Amino acid sequence: AQSVSQHNHHVILSEAASLELGCNYSYGGTVNLFWYVQYPGQHLQLLLKYFSGDPLVKGIKGFEAEFIKSKFSFNLRKPSVQWSDTAEYFCAVKGDSNYQLIWGAGTKLIIKP
Amino acid sequence: KAGVTQTPRYLIKTRGQQVTLSCSPISGHRSVSWYQQTPGQGLQFLFEYFSETQRNKGNFPGRFSGRQFSNSRSEMNVSTLELGDSALYLCASSQSASNYGYTFGSGTRLTVV
Repeated sequence: AQSVSQHNHHVILSEAASLELGCNYSYGGTVNLFWYVQYPGQHLQLLLKYFSGDPLVKGIKGFEAEFIKSKFSFNLRKPSVQWSDTAEYFCAVKGDSNYQLIWGAGTKLIIKP
Repeated sequence: KAGVTQTPRYLIKTRGQQVTLSCSPISGHRSVSWYQQTPGQGLQFLFEYFSETQRNKGNFPGRFSGRQFSNSRSEMNVSTLELGDSALYLCASSQSASNYGYTFGSGTRLTVV
């Protein structure tokens, strides 16, 4: 069965620090990969997605993610975080054999001003 | 254009009752998915509808059901409510069967007492 693992449940950083959130999945076939963000009190928003092509994907608000097929990973990065990046971040994967998204447990990111 | 609209935003029900939640997708979106979000379990897939047909169903008991109407609006129903059904129920819509850049609604917060 497919699964998605986000290793860090809580991350605390200071403003201007660099960010990398890990996401690993288990599925041997073709995948579509997503990062969603949920700001406090708001609904889930799509940060970025990978379907095919360049494995380095740029999203909104300065976020990017790199798909490394050999490592089954899709880590989210941002060179310099801001206080407004405080949110919960979810990685999601869709394999080519089904229609549903499989979600990671989420990472709560807190940025100290 | 209007986003995904879920009604009601908040609901309090008693054990044993039933509840119906509504989701209006973005205009033109034909795929609607439902998710249950809880602090302990994260995002759990309930079901997905496309053109009034249920394409996929998650691992939830038969008390959870749904449907989609010809205008793509969707409802989900939970019968014989249990305390453990307390959660945020999220609806997400997508333009087509193959496009998984879902747009999420704000959710319905269901509390079962």
